[in-house]
Amino acid sequence: GDSVTQMEGPVTLSEEAFLTINCTYTATGYPSLFWYVQYPGEGLQLLLKATKADDKGSNKGFEATYRKETTSFHLEKGSVQVSDSAVYFCALQGTGNQFYFGTGTSLTVIP
Amino acid sequence: EPEVTQTPSHQVTQMGQEVILRCVPISNHLYFYWYRQILGQKVEFLVSFYNNEISEKSEIFDDQFSVERPDGSNFTLKIRSTKLEDSAMYFCASTLNGVHEQFFGPGTRLTVL
Repeated sequence: GDSVTQMEGPVTLSEEAFLTINCTYTATGYPSLFWYVQYPGEGLQLLLKATKADDKGSNKGFEATYRKETTSFHLEKGSVQVSDSAVYFCALQGTGNQFYFGTGTSLTVIP
Repeated sequence: EPEVTQTPSHQVTQMGQEVILRCVPISNHLYFYWYRQILGQKVEFLVSFYNNEISEKSEIFDDQFSVERPDGSNFTLKIRSTKLEDSAMYFCASTLNGVHEQFFGPGTRLTVL
């Protein structure tokens, strides 16, 4: 069945460091892929998405490219800020439109 | 900006008790969902709801669970007789047309003692 495997955390980085959070997926067909972010005390917020192979989603300096050949959707940011500290979830939208999530990766950015 | 809200933020209950978790989806959305996340595990799909009926449910969503849209705004998840393993964060989500991204609430942390 459909599933998402996400890099284990927690991840701690210094401000302005480069961020990569790995995400790979297993799915039948051609799912849409998403990254959600959860700030402390808040709900899951859509960060970016890609709906077909080779699409690049981007938002707030974060990017992820839908790679069908490697079934991956890694999240990257060139220079993280303290305000990026949150939990990041990779997800795919499968048949029936339900979402399949990874376990989440906690990111802490220190000044 | 419209948002999904959930109440309560934290619910503590005794094993065997019934709990009702409440959600107010975004007002013009038509599709509603419940997910749960047991601590340290994946966010798991429970159920989707459209046009006043369940459209899809997972294996987790057994006879102990039910959902309801009692009025034009609320969407509830009921657990009839809670078990220790029901302790988790429960997220409600909604979407306008069932195709695009889902909007999530902040979650209700359920603790079963």
